[in-house]
Amino acid sequence: DQQVKQNSPSLSVQEGRISILNCDYTNSMFDYFLWYKKYPAEGPTFLISISSIKDKNEDGRFTVFLNKSAKHLSLHIVPSQPGDSAVYFCAAIDQGGKLIFGQGTELSVKP
Amino acid sequence: ETGVTQSPTHLIKTRGQQVTLRCSSQSGHNTVSWYQQALGQGPQFIFQYYREEENGRGNFPPRFSGLQFPNYSSELNVNALELDDSALYLCASSWRGRGDYGYTFGSGTRLTVV
Repeated sequence: DQQVKQNSPSLSVQEGRISILNCDYTNSMFDYFLWYKKYPAEGPTFLISISSIKDKNEDGRFTVFLNKSAKHLSLHIVPSQPGDSAVYFCAAIDQGGKLIFGQGTELSVKP
Repeated sequence: ETGVTQSPTHLIKTRGQQVTLRCSSQSGHNTVSWYQQALGQGPQFIFQYYREEENGRGNFPPRFSGLQFPNYSSELNVNALELDDSALYLCASSWRGRGDYGYTFGSGTRLTVV
């Protein structure tokens, strides 16, 4: 039972354009969400997070949007850069404090 | 501030053998979580240790076990290895009670079971 889902395994965008990565969840009790970025041969690194009391959080080129009624969140990267090419994981914190990850989306930003 | 260190980085084992993976947590962190990432999947929670005791476990059989030591470092042990245990094993440390859930991940141990 996949509680956090990323339905797009891959995404390709042109440098300078917007990248939009999507994530859906099924458990309405989740109240904190995070995005991680992962390069090959490295562990996931924290990118940005959002609490369920907000619907938007911004950090530089990265913005996360949360739609609680739709149980959907998205990560926007503007403008996209070639160094953003990586696998992006959406994750939720469950009631026990552990991370529940989606399957990941591989972003490729082409020059 | 030192990060999370995992050893070894790569390992090849034979089916039926036992393996021990090690993790040194980030300084200032008191909780360690272990995750298994199969190819093409997201990390799956195995278990978490806090104050040297298991504090939550995912859907993994008892042959997956762990330890946390007084210095907050941790071991993951897997007995009777199966081919499906081949995966990247990630360790993450955090400070329990921190509101922003500041998990820091290591680079992982790539385990191949043949």
